[in-house]
Amino acid sequence: DTAVSQTPKYLVTQMGNDKSIKCEQNLGHDTMYWYKQDSKKFLKIMFSYNNKELIINETVPNRFSPKSPDKAHLNLHINSLELGDSAVYFCASSHPTASNEKLFFGSGTQLSVL
Amino acid sequence: QKEVEQNSGPLSVPEGAIASLNCTYSDRVSQSFFWYRQYSGKSPELIMSIYSNGDKEDGRFTAQLNKASQYVSLLIRDSQPSDSATYLCAVNRAGTALIFGKGTTLSVSS
Repeated sequence: DTAVSQTPKYLVTQMGNDKSIKCEQNLGHDTMYWYKQDSKKFLKIMFSYNNKELIINETVPNRFSPKSPDKAHLNLHINSLELGDSAVYFCASSHPTASNEKLFFGSGTQLSVL
Repeated sequence: QKEVEQNSGPLSVPEGAIASLNCTYSDRVSQSFFWYRQYSGKSPELIMSIYSNGDKEDGRFTAQLNKASQYVSLLIRDSQPSDSATYLCAVNRAGTALIFGKGTTLSVSS
């Protein structure tokens, strides 16, 4: 009964490869996010989708392409992986009411690009 | 100026002491303020939220907000070794996702 689940938990790959990370939430939330956390723990928003529609795209390289087939799923595809893409990627969801926006995070995907 | 600033620490306190974590934010129209705790290798978890000026208490945790000074803090009373973690301050304004600070690492020694 995991609320926000993402797979895989670990991803080790070579530079130049293409990889995907999947995320699903069973909370009935309308909004889903991808955050990137670098080695210094800085958690930075990448994308946000509301009910399958892209609403936030924070100057992320075109090599990153999110896809939301329905409001419970938000996947992240990364083309031509680079060393600098190594980080922990967190999926999150929220059901905003008024100005509140509490995030529920998945367990993270640790991506290592060699 | 960064949107949300925190001292990275580490902040070291002895068991039983009060730990004080501070955060400043740059955008005056920010509306909601959150503290997340992140244990090493784990995902962030929400521990406190505050929306109006003043103090908000929840158990050993007290969040303080001063919108005029653009300042939000978290006090942890009777600190325990299990409180050792990174504490992330997060700020929200309408139409954007949560913006996080770089976090403060807290170490509570027994």
